[in-house]
Amino acid sequence: KAGVTQTPRYLIKTRGQQVTLSCSPISGHRSVSWYQQTPGQGLQFLFEYFSETQRNKGNFPGRFSGRQFSNSRSEMNVSTLELGDSALYLCASSFHSGANYGYTFGSGTRLTVV
Amino acid sequence: AQSVSQHNHHVILSEAASLELGCNYSYGGTVNLFWYVQYPGQHLQLLLKYFSGDPLVKGIKGFEAEFIKSKFSFNLRKPSVQWSDTAEYFCAVNDRNNQGGKLIFGQGTELSVKP
Repeated sequence: KAGVTQTPRYLIKTRGQQVTLSCSPISGHRSVSWYQQTPGQGLQFLFEYFSETQRNKGNFPGRFSGRQFSNSRSEMNVSTLELGDSALYLCASSFHSGANYGYTFGSGTRLTVV
Repeated sequence: AQSVSQHNHHVILSEAASLELGCNYSYGGTVNLFWYVQYPGQHLQLLLKYFSGDPLVKGIKGFEAEFIKSKFSFNLRKPSVQWSDTAEYFCAVNDRNNQGGKLIFGQGTELSVKP
């Protein structure tokens, strides 16, 4: 079956703009989590959605937001982009909320802010 | 706050050498523990996980890890590495009771295996 699909794969945006990233989970998976990966900070949890509800939120400013649709697809939005937002954004999906169900990661969206 | 510490940032080994990557976490409650691997240009893949039971867990590709609760450790081991094991390895922790699917990752250890 298809894995976790993230689009687009690459993005270049200008400081101050906003961006929306998309994640389609594995069919049947209802939980989606987002992570930011940078060389300096490593992998940091952004938020988790389950059945269209945010279950957990990481320590990121309010410029980072997300949502989940009824088909479990998820989007994350970053407004007023800063240079430091340049990162690989990873999405992970699971059958249910809770790590003991196991999370499968997508290949990520590489965001570059110039 | 929870944190995960991976002691080695970059490890260089020759093929057939044994591998042990250290991982320590700071949290006193019930945890799930994971090792993920990221091969060059690929996405994160689960190597192995520990939820409960036998503290010695076996994963894919000959990897294993041992959970030592008293030491808050979950070290990854492989008896004999191959060139194809060159990758970045991440240890991760999840608070089973309170944080849903939130994973706290270590900084990662880059493994380079020389043929």
